[in-house]
Amino acid sequence: EAGVAQSPRYKIIEKRQSVAFWCNPISGHATLYWYQQILGQGPKLLIQFQNNGVVDDSQLPKDRFSAERLKGVDSTLKIQPAKLEDSAVYLCASSLYRGEGSDYTFGSGTRLTVV
Amino acid sequence: RKEVEQDPGPFNVPEGATVAFNCTYSNSASQSFFWYRQDCRKEPKLLMSVYSSGNEDGRFTAQLNRASQYISLLIRDSKLSDSATYLCVVRGGGFKTIFGAGTRLFVKA
Repeated sequence: EAGVAQSPRYKIIEKRQSVAFWCNPISGHATLYWYQQILGQGPKLLIQFQNNGVVDDSQLPKDRFSAERLKGVDSTLKIQPAKLEDSAVYLCASSLYRGEGSDYTFGSGTRLTVV
Repeated sequence: RKEVEQDPGPFNVPEGATVAFNCTYSNSASQSFFWYRQDCRKEPKLLMSVYSSGNEDGRFTAQLNRASQYISLLIRDSKLSDSATYLCVVRGGGFKTIFGAGTRLFVKA
């Protein structure tokens, strides 16, 4: 079974620039998550999709972050404009269903450095 | 108070030692509990789920105390390959999932 694919692996941008990350979940996984992991911290959920609908985006800084999952498969996460504090690893994860006990499969992440 | 709190670490132990990690959670309605392992510059991976009755997988034992809102992970006979960050994960109402900040473990030869 192919895993969760993310690209790019690394990205360096200047503050105030924009950036986009892409995620392709495991085939058949209805639920997709974007997490932000700042160095030394645990992953923080930014947004959760169920198919192509948003389930939870309460911690997404909506003034600069946006995400979409138009066809219920691939997803993109965008930051515009980026700030220094956005430097982090952005992890995408997917799960088969939202039910209790389901666990996630994470992609290898995109490491963003804002300078 | 953070929703999920873990021992700050790092833990430095010799090979063969037994080490225990603790985690507390604030939401009494939390339903599912997990331990994840994260190697340096890698993504988190599920280590084991945590059940009310406690569960064991080889050298790893997980315990849940709902009354105290406390989860633990015990590693026996530590190996060099156990060096990693261990993340406590709590899933609550609405399937909201909270990760702890992680506890770093270094196992020395």
